[in-house]
Amino acid sequence: NAGVMQNPRHLVRRRGQEARLRCSPMKGHSHVYWYRQLPEEGLKFMVYLQKENIIDESGMPKERFSAEFPKEGPSILRIQQVVRGDSAAYFCASSTRRGDHGELFFGEGSRLTVL
Amino acid sequence: AQTVTQSQPEMSVQEAETVTLSCTYDTSESDYYLFWYKQPPSRQMILVIRQEAYKQQNATENRFSVNFQKAAKSFSLKISDSQLGDAAMYFCAYMKNAGNMLTFGGGTRLMVKP
Repeated sequence: NAGVMQNPRHLVRRRGQEARLRCSPMKGHSHVYWYRQLPEEGLKFMVYLQKENIIDESGMPKERFSAEFPKEGPSILRIQQVVRGDSAAYFCASSTRRGDHGELFFGEGSRLTVL
Repeated sequence: AQTVTQSQPEMSVQEAETVTLSCTYDTSESDYYLFWYKQPPSRQMILVIRQEAYKQQNATENRFSVNFQKAAKSFSLKISDSQLGDAAMYFCAYMKNAGNMLTFGGGTRLMVKP
């Protein structure tokens, strides 16, 4: 049973470009969460999605950031017009139920570097 | 808003000895969960142990145990018989019951000396 798969593992973008991060949840998981980790800090919640629905985006910046989890295919976190402050590790997690009492399964993260 | 604080940026322990990592939190909820996650150099977050706030008994998982003091809002992790593979960042986290968001502390880097 494959774990949560994230790609790319590393992504380099220049200021103003777009970044797309993909997350395939564990088999049988229909709940996906995105977290951001700045250097030397803990993870910060961004958004929670179920298939085709955004349930909670309270941690997502209002501009330039968007997320989706289509009926078919992986969840996508999209960052438009990236800036240096977007450089971070972005983690995806999945679960079988909402929140699942915190027993989330995390991917290995995608590290975004903005030049 | 809930906050989680880890006051030890870095800790060191000799192999085979015991170490305790501290965590305090703030919440107005009465029903919630607390966690310790491990982040090794591979960066994948791994759940180490979970505590349900309504349970008085401290959770244990093999060499890992917690000291949960609900009134003091304290949740420390004890690692017994430390092994080299325990070296990692450790994050304390909180989630309210029926919630969907984990709130993480800033982390403690644990070094294990051979």
